[in-house]
Amino acid sequence: GNSVTQMEGPVTLSEEAFLTINCTYTATGYPSLFWYVQYPGEGLQLLLKATKADDKGSNKGFEATYRKETTSFHLEKGSVQVSDSAVYFCARALNTGNQFYFGTGTSLTVIP
Amino acid sequence: KAGVTQTPRYLIKTRGQQVTLSCSPISGHRSVSWYQQTPGQGLQFLFEYFSETQRNKGNFPGRFSGRQFSNSRSEMNVSTLELGDSALYLCASSLSERAEAFFGQGTRLTVV
Repeated sequence: GNSVTQMEGPVTLSEEAFLTINCTYTATGYPSLFWYVQYPGEGLQLLLKATKADDKGSNKGFEATYRKETTSFHLEKGSVQVSDSAVYFCARALNTGNQFYFGTGTSLTVIP
Repeated sequence: KAGVTQTPRYLIKTRGQQVTLSCSPISGHRSVSWYQQTPGQGLQFLFEYFSETQRNKGNFPGRFSGRQFSNSRSEMNVSTLELGDSALYLCASSLSERAEAFFGQGTRLTVV
């Protein structure tokens, strides 16, 4: 099938802690993969993307590597800030068109 | 460049009524997709339009419909509203297939 499985939340971390949010996907072929972030009361913002195996997407200190062998796209950040508190969604694109499958979202709270 | 604009931001409707939501994509983007976001079901794909044609459709009843105009603006309509239609409706536009989607802030629909 076609799905995205994302680590359950909520996640609470202290400022400057290391963050990992796991994401795995099932798909035929090699879909483009994305991480989106949603702040309270807002829509989704693209955080980073990767379009082929071994690609590393990065933005604002966040990174994720497209691992074909483990069908994973885990999100990492070395030192989180209070302003990173939000809900994070892993997503994969369908092989045609612009339909996305989203994970269930992981709520992150960073405390000072 | 202006982002994706959705109107209105908030709506309150009564069961049985119908509603129309509007989305203006980023200039130059011809693909517009719609998603429903609820706490229980997460983000679910409704449909995608490209150059005024519906290209993909999610698993929603026929009460949910949409259209796209020649200027790429899109509308979605929900008829015979049910309490379960209460959700955040998100519109996204994309430049090309499998490219990242840029989301609007959403329309919060409450059915009472």
